[in-house]
Amino acid sequence: QVQLVQSGAEVKKPGASVKVSCKASGHTLTTFYVHWVRQAPGQGLEWLGMTFPTSGNSAYSRKFQGRITIIRDTSASTLYMELSGLKSEDTAVYYCVREVFPISNWTDWRPFDYWGQGTLVTVSS
Amino acid sequence: DIQMTQSPSSLSASVGDRVTITCRASQIINNYLNWYQQKPGKAPNLLIYGASTLQSGVPSRFSGSGSGTAFTLAISSLQPEDFATYYCQQTYTTPFSFGQGTKLEIK
Repeated sequence: QVQLVQSGAEVKKPGASVKVSCKASGHTLTTFYVHWVRQAPGQGLEWLGMTFPTSGNSAYSRKFQGRITIIRDTSASTLYMELSGLKSEDTAVYYCVREVFPISNWTDWRPFDYWGQGTLVTVSS
Repeated sequence: DIQMTQSPSSLSASVGDRVTITCRASQIINNYLNWYQQKPGKAPNLLIYGASTLQSGVPSRFSGSGSGTAFTLAISSLQPEDFATYYCQQTYTTPFSFGQGTKLEIK
C-alpha cells in the first residue's frame, strides 16, 4: 500500500527554520517524482519544489529559492523539506505528494496522486 | 510564471445539475492541465490529467476539455459527494501553479 507519512505539526517563531519529513512506503523514492505543495489557512495550493527520482536532486520555485532545501535519504525512504527565515505568511499546511507514474512510464502531464497527510506549520511570535 | 485563473470562484448548484468550471492560463500550456477536488480538512484528490484523461476510479460524470489557454471541468449530474473545492494546475513549466479554486456549494 502506497503511503506518504509526514512529521507532526510545528510552531515556530519568525526568523526560525522548520524541517518537515515525508516517509514513503509501498514504493521507492528512486522511481517517482515527489513534490511539495503548501496551503495557507482558507487559501489555495502553492507549489514549492520537487525531487528528481534518479539523481535525488531538487528543483525549487523561484519564490522560495534561497530559503528552501529538499533533501532525500534513500536508505530511510524519507524526504526532508526545510524552510528557513520563516514569516507569518509561511503559516500553512505543507504536503508532500507523489506523481502517478513511475519514471519507467512517466508522462510530463505530471498528475499528482498520493498525498501525505499534511503538516501544519504555524509561524507566530 | 504562469498564472492560472478559475471562474467562477464559487458556484451554487443542486443535486442532479450539470456544472462547468473554467480555467484559463496566462500563456499557452498545450494540454498540461490537471484538475483536483478537495474536501475540507483533506488533501486534494486527482480527477483529470492531461486536460481530458480521467484518473482511474474517478466517476465518469467528471470530464475535462480544452487546450492552449482555456480549459473546462464539467460534472454532468451533481451528486452530494461532489460538493467541494476544485483546483486546476498547469504542469507545462515550473513553478507548477494552481488556480485559486472554485468552491461548489449546495443550493
